[in-house]
Order: sequence, then C-alpha cells, then structure tokens
Amino acid sequence: QVQLVQSGSELKKPGASVKVSCKASGYTFTNYAMNWVRQAPGQGLEWMGWINTNTGNPTYAQGFTGRFVFSLDTSVSTAYLQISSLKAEDTAVYYCARLESGGWFDPWGQGTLVTVSS
Amino acid sequence: SYVLTQPPSVSVAPGKTARITCGGNNIGSKSVHWYQQKPGQAPVLVIYYDSDRPSGIPERFSGSNSGNTATLTISRVEAGDEADYYCQVWDSSSDHRGVFGGGTKLTVL
Repeated sequence: QVQLVQSGSELKKPGASVKVSCKASGYTFTNYAMNWVRQAPGQGLEWMGWINTNTGNPTYAQGFTGRFVFSLDTSVSTAYLQISSLKAEDTAVYYCARLESGGWFDPWGQGTLVTVSS
Repeated sequence: SYVLTQPPSVSVAPGKTARITCGGNNIGSKSVHWYQQKPGQAPVLVIYYDSDRPSGIPERFSGSNSGNTATLTISRVEAGDEADYYCQVWDSSSDHRGVFGGGTKLTVL
C-alpha cells in the first residue's frame, strides 16, 4: 500500500540543525510531488512548500525561506526537510504529504515532532 | 494570497447533522478538499474534489461547494467523529501553493 514513513522525534538546542526524512513506498516516487506541512503545538496546519520529485526543484511558502531546505534521494524514494539555526518557535510536528494531481494531499506521513529547547 | 476561513468550533449532538463551512473568495471556482485530524494523529483525507469520498470514508461524510462557501456535512454524527477538520485548496492563480483553512474543532455533545 501507498505509505510515507517519517523519521523519529528530535530534541535539539537552539542554533542547531535537524534533518527529517520521509520514505515513500508503494508507488513510483518521482510521479508525485512531495509537500511539507507544519503544525505548531495546539495550532492548525501550515503549508510549508513542495518539491518536484522529478527535477528536485523546491518551492517554499512565505515564512519558510532561508533556514528551510527540501531535498531528495530518489535512489531510496526519500524526501528530506532540513531546518538550520533552530529557534524555539520551530517546535512543531512536521508532516510530509504526497500531492495528488487534483491538488489534495494523500497520504500523509505519521509526523515528526521537533522540539527546540535549551 | 488566498485565504480560507473556518469557524473555530462546531458542536452537535449524536445522531444529528454537523455542517462545517469554509469561506473563500469565489471558492466555488476551486476544488476543495477536507481532512479529519484526531488528537495525536496525522490528518486523513475525507473529501476531495468538493464532494468525492476516498475509499473507506463513510457515506455519512459529504461535501458541497458554491459561491463563496464550501461545506463539509457529517450526517448521523457519532462520538468517533469528534476531531479537527481542515479545508484545503491548491491555489494555482499566481503560483502553485497549498492553502489550509484554520481548522474547526467538532465537538460531539
């Protein structure tokens, strides 16, 4: 079955970096764009951007430029989200989600909790 | 940028019908998708293309979209439907980007 499996929870200090992985299975990885969505504690879903899995070209939403980087390793059907210079306000659950051609997200990864605390 | 507006909360008694709205400028011209998110879980698609249901989603879930409002309707509400619900569109008007509504907490009384 189509599945996205993300890496485990991370606890980082302010100023550090983190890299979250999202491994796809059950479909041809390069046929679908991969999106990233943030959910801060007690808050709603926030679209971060997407990466073209054919070209590797990323698109970032406003507020997610500079410290956020989307990347791929197509040989292992995996997308990555790297966040540098972490701040306390980056504490959130980060989801990857496959973009269907009609514009909806399905499936979603199980989410990765990133906690930034000194 | 395109904005989607949802009521923060909706309450309904078991067995009744819940309606969750999603407002946006001429949203009827866009395809609207809906997600259910239970505490500690990832969102799950419940409606796509305004009114289509993925396999495994009960027929009690339906959707409509016209004018400036899209609506998710849940008939014969059950306790297990208590969750946060988000509407979403893919905005291709300027550049290609996803847009979520702020979410609605459905409480089953």
